[in-house]
Amino acid sequence: AAGVIQSPRHLIKEKRETATLKCYPIPRHDTVYWYQQGPGQDPQFLISFYEKMQSDKGSIPDRFSAQQFSDYHSELNMSSLELGDSALYFCASSLKEVSGTEAFFGQGTRLTVV
Amino acid sequence: GEDVEQSLFLSVREGDSSVINCTYTDSSSTYLYWYKQEPGAGLQLLTYIFSNMDMKQDQRLTVLLNKKDKHLSLRIADTQTGDSAIYFCAEEDGGSQGNLIFGKGTKLSVKP
Repeated sequence: AAGVIQSPRHLIKEKRETATLKCYPIPRHDTVYWYQQGPGQDPQFLISFYEKMQSDKGSIPDRFSAQQFSDYHSELNMSSLELGDSALYFCASSLKEVSGTEAFFGQGTRLTVV
Repeated sequence: GEDVEQSLFLSVREGDSSVINCTYTDSSSTYLYWYKQEPGAGLQLLTYIFSNMDMKQDQRLTVLLNKKDKHLSLRIADTQTGDSAIYFCAEEDGGSQGNLIFGKGTKLSVKP
């Protein structure tokens, strides 16, 4: 079965550079969520989109922005990267209308800022 | 703010049962979740329980929910070395599906 696909799997950037992470949800899923997991930390919710509109906002820095496109894929744009942005970034998708829906997670993008 | 608490480590012998405990604060969570994360891998949904249920069993996994005490537990029967991973408990933030608040994770080590 198709799962959530994230690209790239690994990314190395220098400080002050920009990074773009992509997420392709499970087909027919209309909601995507972004999470950040620092080394040895629990995942922290960043932001979510439903039907291309932002639906919830968590602890996302102002340097980050995200959007969901008409094909429901989402991109997380990160500018002025800092060393502390090094983390595993997860995307999850779900079908909002389904009660008790599971949020299926992708394998994550490991971002290393040097 | 909302918070989810878990013990950080658990060590068991292969074949024993493992019990991972979690306390949460958001009583508006419709569902509570257990996720498994193997080293360097993504989050795998293990199971979830509807907040009006006391117990849910799924093969080797048993979830117990005490809503009054806001206590959730995950029991793994006949624990295998392949069960070694970090287990995250998660609640829904303000009852919002998919906007999850995770605990710090319990690292389960299974010794042969």
